[in-house]
Amino acid sequence: DAGVTQSPTHLIKTRGQHVTLRCSPISGHKSVSWYQQVLGQGPQFIFQYYEKEERGRGNFPDRFSARQFPNYSSELNVNALLLGDSALYLCASSLDRGFDQDQPQHFGDGTRLSIL
Amino acid sequence: QKEVEQNSGPLSVPEGAIASLNCTYSDRGSQSFFWYRQYSGKSPELIMFIYSNGDKEDGRFTAQLNKASQYVSLLIRDSQPSDSATYLCAVNVRGGSNYKLTFGKGTLLTVNP
Repeated sequence: DAGVTQSPTHLIKTRGQHVTLRCSPISGHKSVSWYQQVLGQGPQFIFQYYEKEERGRGNFPDRFSARQFPNYSSELNVNALLLGDSALYLCASSLDRGFDQDQPQHFGDGTRLSIL
Repeated sequence: QKEVEQNSGPLSVPEGAIASLNCTYSDRGSQSFFWYRQYSGKSPELIMFIYSNGDKEDGRFTAQLNKASQYVSLLIRDSQPSDSATYLCAVNVRGGSNYKLTFGKGTLLTVNP
């Protein structure tokens, strides 16, 4: 079975631009989360979606937004890019059944975003 | 106090030795705990999860949880050079009615041949 897939793999943007990152969860997984990881740090939680509804939001500015589609794939959008947005963006999915939030999350390979 | 804390290392052990990685967390309500391995330039890979106090073993890996002390650890027996990676501790931390998976900064492990 395919794991979590993310696209694109790498992306180079300039300050002020907008970017859309995409994620397809493992088949059967309805929960998708997004994380930002900068060098030397652990992943930082951005958003979690379950059944197309936002379940949680981390401490990120409103420039960051996301959505989940009926097929459970997801997009992360970042507007007005800043140099500090340069990072590895990770998507994870889990077999969350809605009433429990303890299921392990499985990560995709990530999108490496560089802002010039 | 940070929500999840780990020693950043590096932790260096000889091949065949036991590597011990430690993690503390601040939210007493946390119920689920995870260890991920991350090779340089790669994404995190789940290696263990534990929900109950005590030990959980899977092959060469043992996760240990002590909720009273808010402490979780990972032991790697018979360490191999291929185990050299950053090990991330992750804890489900309550935020309102929902939980968010919160990571430590990771511990860099080097296994020397």
